[in-house]
Amino acid sequence: EDKVVQSPLSLVVHEGDTVTLNCSYEVTNFRSLLWYKQEKKAPTFLFMLTSSGIEKKSGRLSSILDKKELFSILNITATQTGDSAVYLCATNNAGNNRKLIWGLGTSLAVNP
Amino acid sequence: EAQVTQNPRYLITVTGKKLTVTCSQNMNHEYMSWYRQDPGLGLRQIYYSMNVEVTDKGDVPEGYKVSRKEKRNFPLILESPSPNQTSLYFCASSRTLLAGGYNTGELFFGEGSRLTVL
Repeated sequence: EDKVVQSPLSLVVHEGDTVTLNCSYEVTNFRSLLWYKQEKKAPTFLFMLTSSGIEKKSGRLSSILDKKELFSILNITATQTGDSAVYLCATNNAGNNRKLIWGLGTSLAVNP
Repeated sequence: EAQVTQNPRYLITVTGKKLTVTCSQNMNHEYMSWYRQDPGLGLRQIYYSMNVEVTDKGDVPEGYKVSRKEKRNFPLILESPSPNQTSLYFCASSRTLLAGGYNTGELFFGEGSRLTVL
């Protein structure tokens, strides 16, 4: 059965710290891996990683995909209180391309 | 502004009273989907639609209905709500790639509808 597992479940850091969030997956016919940020409301899209784009960066956030070891990491440097959120990982299965397979998320709290 | 709009945002109702949660997107997206989000269970897909008049079940479709008569709208219907349908509901949309209708995965979510069934 396809699945996505995120770790840790929750994390508390101080402003300025660097954090690494993990996402491992077991998916038949992997197509892409996506990261979303969910604050108190709707998830918002961060990155999509595919075979042709295994590393993405946007400001202090970056992500890599390791297709051999079947995992991805989301890195946040110089964290700010505004980074506090739940970070969700999901994969897109080419065999069943109409839906995403979601992890349970990592809850990040950044304290001042 | 590109957006997905859901209504109502909050609703408290009683068991058995039919309700509809509306969802509308202004991005001309082909793909639309409904999720529910519950603590410890994450996001679970209820129904999705690849285009007008094309809908299919997700992982937890029991107790729900949908329709897709127009491209922009995808209402979620609870014919006879029960307390186990108390949840936070999200509507989402995305474009599809032309070949094969693949969902790109870059979903745009509505603000969410918090439903309580007593």
